[in-house]
Amino acid sequence: EVQLLESGGGLVQAGGSLRVSCAASGFSLRNSVINWVRQAPGKGLEWVSIIIRGGTETYFADSVKGRFTISSEISKSKVYLQMNSLRVEDTAMYYCAGGGTDWFSFDIWGQGTVVTVSS
Amino acid sequence: DVVMTQSPLSLPVTLGQPASISCRSGQSLVHSDGNIYLHWFQQRPGQSPRRLIYKISERDSGVPDRFSGSGSGTDFTLKISRVEAEDVGVYYCVQGTHLPPTFGQGTKVEIK
Repeated sequence: EVQLLESGGGLVQAGGSLRVSCAASGFSLRNSVINWVRQAPGKGLEWVSIIIRGGTETYFADSVKGRFTISSEISKSKVYLQMNSLRVEDTAMYYCAGGGTDWFSFDIWGQGTVVTVSS
Repeated sequence: DVVMTQSPLSLPVTLGQPASISCRSGQSLVHSDGNIYLHWFQQRPGQSPRRLIYKISERDSGVPDRFSGSGSGTDFTLKISRVEAEDVGVYYCVQGTHLPPTFGQGTKVEIK
């Protein structure tokens, strides 16, 4: 079964760092894309970042550029979102989504992991 | 960034009646490969989003055939032929043609 599972969320102070993970099963990261999409409490969906075919290309939303990085460990079938210089406005549910070959088709989604940034 | 505008933002519907959600893009969504990457997602209360429709009108596996997508150019529509109780939630369109991908504001479907 094709599946994504996020972990690593938590409470962090503004200015701090956190790394969230996305474990993929049922497909290979070598041939697919994984996006991170976030949803602030009571708000809509916002794309954050994408890693393509295990890291050949990566892109970021302007709102996180220079603060977030994305990487993968193909052998572990995991994707990581490293979040530095966190701001209160980064507070959100973070979903990983993807699994296919089209960059932004968001084929499948994980259950999400909550990141809370306190002031 | 491409602005995606959904309407209505709130849609009260009677069980068994049809529902329609509009999504308009601020510019053409035709990709250089000829495809139009316009997709629809359902987010039920307390759940993760789930893709229903991809590339305007292709229904995902397991999605009931009461859901259909259509459109062209900059105007797209998601239709539910007969709303059921399990359809309650927020529906989002997203364009995946241009970087960054952008979502509509969401349309909340509720039962009257």
